[in-house]
Amino acid sequence: QSALTQPASVSGSPGQSITISCTGTSSDVGGYNYVSWYQQHPGKAPKLMIFDVSNRPSGVSNRFSGSKSANTASLTISGLQAEDEADYHCSSYTSSSTLRVFGGGTRLTVL
Amino acid sequence: QVQLQESGPGLVKPSETLSLTCSVSGYSISNGYYWGWIRQPPGKGLEWIGTIHHSGSTYYNPSLKSRVTISGDTSKNKFSLEVSSVTAADTAVYYCARVTRSLTGCYDYWGQGSLVTVSS
Repeated sequence: QSALTQPASVSGSPGQSITISCTGTSSDVGGYNYVSWYQQHPGKAPKLMIFDVSNRPSGVSNRFSGSKSANTASLTISGLQAEDEADYHCSSYTSSSTLRVFGGGTRLTVL
Repeated sequence: QVQLQESGPGLVKPSETLSLTCSVSGYSISNGYYWGWIRQPPGKGLEWIGTIHHSGSTYYNPSLKSRVTISGDTSKNKFSLEVSSVTAADTAVYYCARVTRSLTGCYDYWGQGSLVTVSS
């Protein structure tokens, strides 16, 4: 069981917006602004999409955005495109002995 | 462009030691940043293994700490992972990555991954 909780799957139609949640505790997501999001296509390495809750690395589309409220972080993808179909993983620093935690991953299907 | 490449045996016998190396190009690991290992069992999520700084400082997942060693070789611009006493539960794709800060940073560059199967 992963330390951060993500929905197993979400789906949306091209052009729509979707949001993926990542729920933790006050020891990780809620206590620090160190949440990052990764996109992973089948058989490929993860790719950084969002860091420090809401920052986009250079080269990542502005259709991707991140936010946080209390113990839940969110990744929003607007204007869904077929190429967005992938697994998305969240990660956070934690002050618990685990030090670093990931979510179980969310499979995004573009209908 | 920073590139990372994992290498090592794809098959390891139970109770033996898994050894992987990550070769870095396009950036000198002695110039800064941290360097980490993450694994992903088949069909499952990501798991942090540990992180190393070029100074030699290391941080390990407590659940693996007794069996894991991460080391660096700045002269060859590589860093390595060893996991001892492996079992089938250690079967996974192992990724190396650059970390922007020790424990709070994100993983901004990744290797392509190396599948390691533990089986007799």
